[in-house]
Amino acid sequence: DVKVTQSSRYLVKRTGEKVFLECVQDMDHENMFWYRQDPGLGLRLIYFSYDVKMKEKGDIPEGYSVSREKKERFSLILESASTNQTSMYLCASSPPQARDGYGYTFGSGTRLTVV
Amino acid sequence: EDQVTQSPEALRLQEGESSSLNCSYTVSGLRGLFWYRQDPGKGPEFLFTLYSAGEEKEKERLKATLTKKESFLHITAPKPEDSATYLCAVQARTNAGKSTFGDGTTLTVKP
Repeated sequence: DVKVTQSSRYLVKRTGEKVFLECVQDMDHENMFWYRQDPGLGLRLIYFSYDVKMKEKGDIPEGYSVSREKKERFSLILESASTNQTSMYLCASSPPQARDGYGYTFGSGTRLTVV
Repeated sequence: EDQVTQSPEALRLQEGESSSLNCSYTVSGLRGLFWYRQDPGKGPEFLFTLYSAGEEKEKERLKATLTKKESFLHITAPKPEDSATYLCAVQARTNAGKSTFGDGTTLTVKP
């Protein structure tokens, strides 16, 4: 069964820590995405990547960076965690463009709490 | 800017009571419209892709339809296991794979 794997389901970090969220996909997809999901705000795109070493800012990139050194792995980095970054983080992957039967494949999510 | 609006925010149905969820969208050149199902504490799960007005897709008790301005997710004779949040997303031809999501409709089906 093809899938997207996020390294942690739950994470608690202290304010000011550097935090790494890892995502690995086994579908050889070109596109990978990082979203955060908050009640009442829906899914908001943080960063995405079309290819290895390529990255583009999404709607809310401030306070975050990403790394894609290998096609299957896309990492989200919180440079200095703050309490307003407490959220559910979702990684997704997809083929380059929409084609029949192919939407995003999401990971199970990482619930990050910053204290 | 692409926009997706879903209604209602929440919907409570009795088992067997059919209904529809709405997704209104604006996009400059639609490449695809997607429906996802999300269970609490989990990532969204892909259901359907629709590409052009008039298209329909079905899966068990769910049927998705598309017009030039909106999409409907029809749920026929729902069961409690259909309870979930349903998300709609659009992808523009110019955005090369990037989707814009709506806030979702949370469906609760009571036995």
